[in-house]
Amino acid sequence: DTAVSQTPKYLVTQMGNDKSIKCEQNLGHDTMYWYKQDSKKFLKIMFSYNNKELIINETVPNRFSPKSPDKAHLNLHINSLELGDSAVYFCASRQGADTGELFFGEGSRLTVL
Amino acid sequence: AQKVTQAQTEISVVEKEDVTLDCVYETRDTTYYLFWYKQPPSGELVFLIRRNSFDEQNEISGRYSWNFQKSTSSFNFTITASQVVDSAVYFCALSSHYNTDKLIFGTGTRLQVFP
Repeated sequence: DTAVSQTPKYLVTQMGNDKSIKCEQNLGHDTMYWYKQDSKKFLKIMFSYNNKELIINETVPNRFSPKSPDKAHLNLHINSLELGDSAVYFCASRQGADTGELFFGEGSRLTVL
Repeated sequence: AQKVTQAQTEISVVEKEDVTLDCVYETRDTTYYLFWYKQPPSGELVFLIRRNSFDEQNEISGRYSWNFQKSTSSFNFTITASQVVDSAVYFCALSSHYNTDKLIFGTGTRLQVFP
């Protein structure tokens, strides 16, 4: 069973569209994250949620709206997609405020045409 | 401000060679955590190690070893007797004790191991 699973793995869409990426973790972790990896492989945190509450919003445009219906899920909705949104989006989770490892999903590659 | 620098963009070696990936970090915190992650061609991010700032002991795990030196703010990663399966992008990362939710990644080092 995959610990952190994301869907879809690949997403190709037109500029201006709205799309969502879903993430689920079956590890029982309290904290979930979205990271963005650009074309140069640079990884940067976007959001973190702890037990459904937003903890970090790293100056991400408000076209990006995370939603956490429960602590096992953290979905990412993106409105009015732009070319610059093309990237790989990684979901991750970690247990509480522990400084242990982040468990990452396999990534969702978004291509905006 | 916190920062992680991986000056080596790409390294190529031949199988069985030893290779060291450099990581230099900047932080004003006295307590912090350092990480290495591996991203193979398949794209997932795989955790390799976490080290806290109080523990400067070097660590060895099979062919992997890590050298943490606070005096030079470095946390270097060595692969001994490299193998083709070690080919990946390797990321060093840093988090503060006061904001453990935020992992600051370096720009990664692409390692190619040729047979």
